[in-house]
Amino acid sequence: DSGVTQTPKHLITATGQRVTLRCSPRSGDLSVYWYQQSLDQGLQFLIQYYNGEERAKGNILERFSAQQFPDLHSELNLSSLELGDSALYFCASSVGFVDEQFFGPGTRLTVL
Amino acid sequence: AQSVTQLDSQVPVFEEAPVELRCNYSSSVSVYLFWYVQYPNQGLQLLLKYLSGSTLVKGINGFEAEFNKSQTSFHLRKPSVHISDTAEYFCAVSDQGDDKIIFGKGTRLHILP
Repeated sequence: DSGVTQTPKHLITATGQRVTLRCSPRSGDLSVYWYQQSLDQGLQFLIQYYNGEERAKGNILERFSAQQFPDLHSELNLSSLELGDSALYFCASSVGFVDEQFFGPGTRLTVL
Repeated sequence: AQSVTQLDSQVPVFEEAPVELRCNYSSSVSVYLFWYVQYPNQGLQLLLKYLSGSTLVKGINGFEAEFNKSQTSFHLRKPSVHISDTAEYFCAVSDQGDDKIIFGKGTRLHILP
């Protein structure tokens, strides 16, 4: 158990819908990262927050957005969902910036 | 932009045999390097990391990796694998001064009995 929690574990929805994925980092970790893992693209870095502020951006689509709240939990919002958005979405946390990242168990999103 | 290449998508190896998983990165600027492991149906966990110092890095579960700056490589090795090493292994790199960590596409290690 990494100490990072993600909810829900599974999510099935339809194209065009909007979903919110939630992540609670390890106690004391200020950085939260979001990744998308799919068979064809591999593990793609989406975005990083540090202590509530956006720190780094990767291959995140404009239909996706994230935020980190004052209690340090984070949410990833995915809207206008497409079939190709079906993937495993991981959250990770770390104390600072380039530190060991601790990964949550992931949320499996299926878009039908 | 930085990129990571893991040359082998799958590596089969017999139990108790040695294994090397290859990783090359594109940029020769100062980097931090990582190997993560993902067991079936789990998230990733750190095996080892190179930040500075000795180029030979020892990690958990008997794994080690060697940083070779001239070859821009960070290959992962284990002298004797066990069935429990069955997993996907990801190499990752971050340019010093950049918070982004770029992951390779992963290498699936199959342990044959």
